[in-house]
Amino acid sequence: QSVLTQPPSVSGAPGQRVIISCAGSISNIGTYDVHWYQQLPGAAPKLLILRNSDRPSGVPDRFSGSRSGTSASLTITGLQVEDEADYYCQSFDRSLKRVFGGGTTLTVL
Amino acid sequence: QVQLQQSGPGLVKPSETLSLTCTVSGGSTSGYYWSWIRQPPGKGLEWIGYIFYTGSISYNPSLNSRVTISIDTSKNQFSLNLNSVTAADTAVYYCAREVAGGGCFDYWGRGALVTVSS
Repeated sequence: QSVLTQPPSVSGAPGQRVIISCAGSISNIGTYDVHWYQQLPGAAPKLLILRNSDRPSGVPDRFSGSRSGTSASLTITGLQVEDEADYYCQSFDRSLKRVFGGGTTLTVL
Repeated sequence: QVQLQQSGPGLVKPSETLSLTCTVSGGSTSGYYWSWIRQPPGKGLEWIGYIFYTGSISYNPSLNSRVTISIDTSKNQFSLNLNSVTAADTAVYYCAREVAGGGCFDYWGRGALVTVSS
């Protein structure tokens, strides 16, 4: 069981908007920043969103993040076929241990 | 451009020790946290632990008794030892850089599949 809870899968058609949630508690998301990673098939994870809502250089502005209370979300607008991947949220927990969500598989219909 | 490369055996026998090294190129180990993260086949990511460039360490409580992470700043390398392995330790092992104060992993190695089998 992951400390952070994500839906196992989401889907959407090209051009649509999808939202991936990440639920935690006061000891993790309620206290610390949330980061998001995209993992394409067969590849290493790639940092997608840092510090809740910041995008690293090169990440399209179709990807956005937010955090409120003990949960966070990743929003992808203008869905593209190449967005099909696994997405993971990550934060800190008690004693500053790093924790991940269980991951969400995005299918572009 | 910072690059991380894992190296080590791809097959380890049950009850033995898994050992991996991550070599950092294009940058220094100084000023950063260096983590090991693993991903069992078809499953999600699990943080194993980190070592700061000064040598301070933190491990995942679920693996704490079996894990040792060390660093050699002169060689720009850090290493993972996981002892008493079982089939449940079969996974792709990633090394990753964490920005101090940032909390996110900004550079990752390509990953190394380690299979535990006799």
